[in-house]
Amino acid sequence: AQSVTQPDIHITVSEGASLELRCNYSYGATPYLFWYVQSPGQGLQLLLKYFSGDTLVQGIKGFEAEFKRSQSSFNLRKPSVHWSDAAEYFCAVAARATSGTYKYIFGTGTRLKVLA
Amino acid sequence: DGGITQSPKYLFRKEGQNVTLSCEQNLNHDAMYWYRQDPGQGLRLIYYSQIVNDFQKGDIAEGYSVSREKKESFPLTVTSAQKNPTAFYLCASSLSSQGGTEAFFGQGTRLTVV
Repeated sequence: AQSVTQPDIHITVSEGASLELRCNYSYGATPYLFWYVQSPGQGLQLLLKYFSGDTLVQGIKGFEAEFKRSQSSFNLRKPSVHWSDAAEYFCAVAARATSGTYKYIFGTGTRLKVLA
Repeated sequence: DGGITQSPKYLFRKEGQNVTLSCEQNLNHDAMYWYRQDPGQGLRLIYYSQIVNDFQKGDIAEGYSVSREKKESFPLTVTSAQKNPTAFYLCASSLSSQGGTEAFFGQGTRLTVV
């Protein structure tokens, strides 16, 4: 079955510390992978995406993610966290449905808290 | 500005009533999606549409209905058959339903049953 797992429900880091959010996916074909960020009561904003090519992708706000096919992972990283990064982060995969249409499957999210 | 507009932002419904959530996009995207978000459960797919007058059920379609009469509009009706409708609803669109594109999201509608 197609799925996305984010094993960490909550993560707390100090401002200026490095960050890594984990994401594992289950999908038989070459995946289209995404990371989104959501502030409370708001919609989702795309941070970065992986379709093909270089397995290390750069996104907005200083985030990057690395696709590792052998581990079925797409972890999100940031070298130095800012207080404004406190939000909820979602990993997603675009999976092909039986109808032929692609649909987006999301993980349960990781809530990031940043300590001053 | 191009984007996705969801209205209203907050909606209150009495038990037993149907209610319709609006989603409009001016991005000229073919595909549109409705998700439900509950704390700790991530986003769950309700319905999606790849083209006008066509849509498919997602993982939690029971108690919901949709229509896609125009490319730019994809309203969601929460019927009285939906047992627990209180949630945050997100509409999204993507350029193509054939993969290789990202989804863009509206700002959401918070529905509360009173």
